[in-house]
Amino acid sequence: GAGVSQTPSNKVTEKGKYVELRCDPISGHTALYWYRQSLGQGPEFLIYFQGTGAADDSGLPNDRFFAVRPEGSVSTLKIQRTERGDSAVYLCASSHGAGLYNEQFFGPGTRLTVL
Amino acid sequence: GIQVEQSPPDLILQEGANSTLRCNFSDSVNNLQWFHQNPWGQLINLFYIPSGTKQNGRLSATTVATERYSLLYISSSQTTDSGVYFCAVVSAGGGNKLTFGTGTQLKVEL
Repeated sequence: GAGVSQTPSNKVTEKGKYVELRCDPISGHTALYWYRQSLGQGPEFLIYFQGTGAADDSGLPNDRFFAVRPEGSVSTLKIQRTERGDSAVYLCASSHGAGLYNEQFFGPGTRLTVL
Repeated sequence: GIQVEQSPPDLILQEGANSTLRCNFSDSVNNLQWFHQNPWGQLINLFYIPSGTKQNGRLSATTVATERYSLLYISSSQTTDSGVYFCAVVSAGGGNKLTFGTGTQLKVEL
């Protein structure tokens, strides 16, 4: 596609439930990033994939959060035992790779609400 | 980690006015991007500018990497320029992740 796409656009769940958020990067982009944006703040880094492997997961807040990218394209962010504090907009971005080609392009986000 | 500060935090302009937004960062950077987040939450790429000057229509940006700041100029502002403007950097020692600034909330009025 022309840009980064994310599904669903909105997700409402109950405390304690499991959720999966999906990201389709720009075709040909090898790097994929997940960020989280809380109300009134800038996005904060969660995890970065280069190809299929997680090159940097230092931003994941705890072990309830996990992400995969099994074929080096689509990625899924998984959140177990959701808490109200997980409510935020989850943004995905992609880029050609590192260095000169590291301009990141963002998707529209998934707004997660945990009741 | 690297700190990114933006000023002013809020700005109200009359349509047609010019403005300058500033981004200061605390360490060396490999990359710097300016984004406009529209009222629907979409982050729109404005500039990829780790150094130098670029112009795109009514917008231009300058990054002076040695002095650790970047400026975004908006000329002849329009109501559609309203939203939040973010500066984001990739620290020279921080892998490939973007660290975002605090943002400037811009409102352009008729």
